[in-house]
Amino acid sequence: QSALTQPASVSGSPGQSITISCTGTTSDVGGYNYVSWYQQHPGKAPKLIIYDVGNRPSGVSNRFSGSKSGNTASLTISGLQAEDEADYYCSSYRSTSTLHVFGTGTKVAVL
Amino acid sequence: EVQLVESGGGLVQPGGSLRLSCTASGLNINTFAMSWVRQAPGKGLEWVSSISGNGENTHYAHSVKGRLTISRDESKDTLFLQMNSLRVEDTAIYYCAKTQLWFGELLDYFDYWGQGALVTVSS
Repeated sequence: QSALTQPASVSGSPGQSITISCTGTTSDVGGYNYVSWYQQHPGKAPKLIIYDVGNRPSGVSNRFSGSKSGNTASLTISGLQAEDEADYYCSSYRSTSTLHVFGTGTKVAVL
Repeated sequence: EVQLVESGGGLVQPGGSLRLSCTASGLNINTFAMSWVRQAPGKGLEWVSSISGNGENTHYAHSVKGRLTISRDESKDTLFLQMNSLRVEDTAIYYCAKTQLWFGELLDYFDYWGQGALVTVSS
């Protein structure tokens, strides 16, 4: 099952905004609004930060926002903070027997 | 507060079997769709298997179909993953996760995760 494509790494300075892309196909990202994003700190379990393209679960900072255009979804982190340094994964429903697919993951570094 | 706790991980030889369990507090596992997601050492996340809230629908990734089985024991309020014919490439941390699954087959997102159980397949 081929993964969604994310950049391997993105970096920014404290206070800046960064955007992580997530590219799929019309069978997943482009065809449905079931795109979610997860934050994972080293040695910890993933945490849901965005669901259904642009919705934030209760308790998640409004510095995280999501959007989608065509086959590419994006996660934007504004006002970058040291605690945002982590791995980020997108995921999407896929309309094949695969059912669900994750992105390749992006390591965010705060300079 | 929802907490999920996995158990049953360990070292097993190729071709062997293992059963993972997942219990919850603050959540009735028997009511919601649940999934297993794994992460090989230093690698990304991979969806493995899901079961619908009513237990009528189960789904598997191609890489595990026919070898891994997801199930639930309602009397024990526990989610299981029976792992047979294990391969070296099954080595990973296995997370159980509460799942938003629409109509028994549209897997939307995973909103609560356990801390994971490490499964190592090696001779």
